[in-house]
Amino acid sequence: EIVLTQSPDFQSVTPKEKVTITCRASQSIGSSLHWYQQKPDQSPKLLIKYASQSISGVPSRFSGSGSGTDFTLTINSLEAEDAATYYCHQSSSLPPWTFGQGTKVEIK
Amino acid sequence: EVQLVESGGVVVQPGGSLRLSCAASGFTFDDYAMHWVRQAPGKGLEWVSLISWDGGSTYYADSVKGRFTISRDNSKNSLYLQMNSLRAEDTALYYCAKSTIVGATTPPFDYWGQGTLVTVSS
Repeated sequence: EIVLTQSPDFQSVTPKEKVTITCRASQSIGSSLHWYQQKPDQSPKLLIKYASQSISGVPSRFSGSGSGTDFTLTINSLEAEDAATYYCHQSSSLPPWTFGQGTKVEIK
Repeated sequence: EVQLVESGGVVVQPGGSLRLSCAASGFTFDDYAMHWVRQAPGKGLEWVSLISWDGGSTYYADSVKGRFTISRDNSKNSLYLQMNSLRAEDTALYYCAKSTIVGATTPPFDYWGQGTLVTVSS
């Protein structure tokens, strides 16, 4: 089973600040890494697919990068509505398709 | 508009059984693989099960293998999860989710339901 480890677990950030969340895989997964945003009491929402591919309707301040074992989600110029928990998710090879433990972003 | 609506979550005793349903609309259901993902209270996301577009392939997380069965009825645009021998650790919000790519079984998931809560407790 591929283990995804996110860092940090929690981040308190002021509006307009840049946020960087990392996700490290226990083995190489190529670009098979996706990012979701989950706001309180809501279902997860797909933000980035295949490490860096943007999703229609997602604000351009969200971007992703990386390949192999190390990946990054960047939120440029954080807005209040971005308060949420962010999860990485891998789809390499066969199941189980594991998620990272989540990174909670709080607005100061 | 794509909609996924789960139902069937209740309070059930340990060892009991339950069947969850997910009603899909707004897309060609039999073009896409479907998944169940769960989230224990206050915890992260856990992938549970996959069924291919035609029902011919199914996969399960080790934590539910042998106890849960995923199925679908394409004529009814519906996905199901039969849950047997339930344990306290199965307590969670269960989401159904749709694969993004036609015919592909893998994530990512571009649409999720609102979830249905299963509580296993005596």
